[in-house]
Amino acid sequence: EAGVTQFPSHSVIEKGQTVTLRCDPISGHDNLYWYRRVMGKEIKFLLHFVKESKQDESGMPNNRFLAERTGGTYSTLKVQPAELEDSGVYFCASTRGQGRAETQYFGPGTRLLVL
Amino acid sequence: GNSVTQMEGPVTLSEEAFLTINCTYTATGYPSLFWYVQYPGEGLQLLLKATKADDKGSNKGFEATYRKETTSFHLEKGSVQVSDSAVYFCALSDLLSGGYNKLIFGAGTRLAVHP
Repeated sequence: EAGVTQFPSHSVIEKGQTVTLRCDPISGHDNLYWYRRVMGKEIKFLLHFVKESKQDESGMPNNRFLAERTGGTYSTLKVQPAELEDSGVYFCASTRGQGRAETQYFGPGTRLLVL
Repeated sequence: GNSVTQMEGPVTLSEEAFLTINCTYTATGYPSLFWYVQYPGEGLQLLLKATKADDKGSNKGFEATYRKETTSFHLEKGSVQVSDSAVYFCALSDLLSGGYNKLIFGAGTRLAVHP
């Protein structure tokens, strides 16, 4: 079974530009999560999809960030316009179900650098 | 709110040394506890987990015991290897604070093991 994949692995853009990150969850996983690690600090939750619906987007930092999951398969996270403080590693994770012992399977992350 | 505090790194050890990485938490409810590991160039992998008090999670020689009385989940290994060099993240999820789908991470502890 293929794991969670993310694209691109690295992205370097200038302030004010737009970047779109993609996440492909494990096949059959209805739940998809986005996290971010900024400047070597703790990894922070951004949002959670169940199929194509946003269940929890309490961690989204501001309206420059837009996440979608059309069709309930892969997800995209768009940053527009990007700011310097958006630099960091963006992780995606997926699970089949929800619950106390559920394990989140993470992708390798996208390293974003905004200059 | 919920939070996870883990010891700052980097931790530098010689091969076969004993490892302890401290992790303490604050939670509103009765959380599940996790250790994730990120090897160089890879994504986050679940190392072990525990979902109730006094449970011991174990994997690859690593162990951690869920201590409700001290709100701790310290990671230990009796004899580390060079291949254990990685960043280790302690995390929790809590039904009463965002649900089991929102992982709350510590800042991560980098471990470097030398031959």
